[in-house]
Amino acid sequence: QKEVEQDPGPLSVPEGAIVSLNCTYSNSAFQYFMWYRQYSRKGPELLMYTYSSGNKEDGRFTAQVDKSSKYISLFIRDSQPSDSATYLCAMSARSGGSNYKLTFGKGTLLTVNP
Amino acid sequence: DGGITQSPKYLFRKEGQNVTLSCEQNLNHDAMYWYRQDPGQGLRLIYYSQIVNDFQKGDIAEGYSVSREKKESFPLTVTSAQKNPTAFYLCASSLTGTSYEQYFGPGTRLTVT
Repeated sequence: QKEVEQDPGPLSVPEGAIVSLNCTYSNSAFQYFMWYRQYSRKGPELLMYTYSSGNKEDGRFTAQVDKSSKYISLFIRDSQPSDSATYLCAMSARSGGSNYKLTFGKGTLLTVNP
Repeated sequence: DGGITQSPKYLFRKEGQNVTLSCEQNLNHDAMYWYRQDPGQGLRLIYYSQIVNDFQKGDIAEGYSVSREKKESFPLTVTSAQKNPTAFYLCASSLTGTSYEQYFGPGTRLTVT
């Protein structure tokens, strides 16, 4: 079983739809959960991060972590064509320091159609 | 503007040649990273450095080498020993204490034929 599993999609939705992106993981030591957005042929950019369990909201984006189920989600409300990108989940056991490692999912390709 | 620059954007090499990819940052970050991204594979860590003159192997370091002589620079050399070097290479940096918040460069697409 891979440490982080993410459905690669592709996912295609109409403009204005609510989008749900998900990852599951197997390593119970993960405490930091991140979502990165990557436009085509560009580097990823950090969208949101969450420490431990709970929800975090930033504008149209909401990140949820359920550590009991080892499941994280990113919700996008009122999706826009500019949200079309690959979304990568990432996780780590610590915030930093020696031997630090960030484990990425494979990414989900999202297309929002006007 | 603060950020990370990678050059060149596209690089073409013949098999058997070593090639060095550039990565520079002016964010005053101590930590720097190199990742490789292949279709359907996600990001895989090649090397990382927490401080000048020190670096550690990541998950797929074989066939690669790095140096960290300056805080701002972390070049990656893809050697002829790397069996499948064609890929999209991404450099990132972060503060040491918040390594989950990594800032990425625009990437270099390397094609070896």
